[in-house]
Amino acid sequence: NAGVMQNPRHLVRRRGQEARLRCSPMKGHSHVYWYRQLPEEGLKFMVYLQKENIIDESGMPKERFSAEFPKEGPSILRIQQVVRGDSAAYFCASSPTGTGGYGYTFGSGTRLTVV
Amino acid sequence: GESVGLHLPTLSVQEGDNSIINCAYSNSASDYFIWYKQESGKGPQFIIDIRSNMDKRQGQRVTVLLNKTVKHLSLQIAATQPGDSAVYFCADLTDSWGKLQFGAGTQVVVTP
Repeated sequence: NAGVMQNPRHLVRRRGQEARLRCSPMKGHSHVYWYRQLPEEGLKFMVYLQKENIIDESGMPKERFSAEFPKEGPSILRIQQVVRGDSAAYFCASSPTGTGGYGYTFGSGTRLTVV
Repeated sequence: GESVGLHLPTLSVQEGDNSIINCAYSNSASDYFIWYKQESGKGPQFIIDIRSNMDKRQGQRVTVLLNKTVKHLSLQIAATQPGDSAVYFCADLTDSWGKLQFGAGTQVVVTP
């Protein structure tokens, strides 16, 4: 059981470029959550997806950010035209039931640095 | 607004002593709380959870206490070890879909 896999672990982008962050949930998990963590802060919810559906995107910035979880393949968090303020750690979590708690497993995160 | 927050940003503990990490919440409707441990460069790791119909729950070397009257919960770590050095977050479940709201975190530093 490989756990929740996120890649890349570290990503450096210049201002204006696109960033693509990938998350492969644990085997058997069909619920994916994305969180953002700014330095020395707690995690902030961004979006909750099930296969081919966005269930709750209330934490996503209105512009430049999008997420998908296709039928096949990993979940993708896409940030277009990155700015310095997008520099953060982005964590993905997966769950078998969509109810949080013990079955909710986080990946090791992608640390995005915008230069 | 409604939030989950921590009292202390850093806690220095001598190895072998007990640690107590505190957390206040403001949403009286919160009914499920989780403590996570985050080591440097890693994602949050589940430690222990508690539902609002309980006031205490114990795990291996950890105990969570919930005081609904003052909207406060704490994490107690017995016989703190160097491997317990990490940032600890409390979080509450804000809806039935599993969306978590995190506090800012407490850095625990274990000294020899």
